[in-house]
Amino acid sequence: SAVISQKPSRDICQRGTSLTIQCQVDSQVTMMFWYRQQPGQSLTLIATANQGSEATYESGFVIDKFPISRPNLTFSTLTVSNMSPEDSSIYLCSGRNRVDEQYFGPGTRLTVT
Amino acid sequence: GDSVTQMEGPVTLSEEAFLTINCTYTATGYPSLFWYVQYPGEGLQLLLKATKADDKGSNKGFEATYRKETTSFHLEKGSVQVSDSAVYFCALPPFSGGYNKLIFGAGTRLAVHP
Repeated sequence: SAVISQKPSRDICQRGTSLTIQCQVDSQVTMMFWYRQQPGQSLTLIATANQGSEATYESGFVIDKFPISRPNLTFSTLTVSNMSPEDSSIYLCSGRNRVDEQYFGPGTRLTVT
Repeated sequence: GDSVTQMEGPVTLSEEAFLTINCTYTATGYPSLFWYVQYPGEGLQLLLKATKADDKGSNKGFEATYRKETTSFHLEKGSVQVSDSAVYFCALPPFSGGYNKLIFGAGTRLAVHP
């Protein structure tokens, strides 16, 4: 299995501000992803974080709202910009290893007031 | 497009009861299939997987068999414990994503009572 850590684990933010979430994975990971899980819901993929280039966003998600960086193989950040209460969710970092297994970080619980 | 459908929850069982959580899928080709579990307040953990038709994935007493004929991957456990109370997600990598990312079912909440 892959080891994935995220920080912060939770935060309460005011609307209009931005929050950057950090994700660190171990060297077994080849691909990194960011997901959102709204309260009581399933997971929705936000984007694939690409090393050294722009992330690949899913339909409904845009770079201006969710800028993502991945400066090296084992580290990525997701920023939630200009937050509104609708952005209150759990944000999960994920990594895929060489045998196509995907592992998840513990998540960042974001509440926007 | 590819999709995953799970039975609606919550599923409420007594300890030592038999568990089945249904999962059916629509897929292009024959992707690997996965079950994940999410305990309260935690992230997702990979529970088991199957990589081809008729494969059986198993872990911690849970099993699921990749059934191509019925496009199903039902999760089973012979005797559940209170500690199994969690949300269970069925997932697969869709063809449209090059089999790289995952799409998830809606999740099934399991509550086990003593």
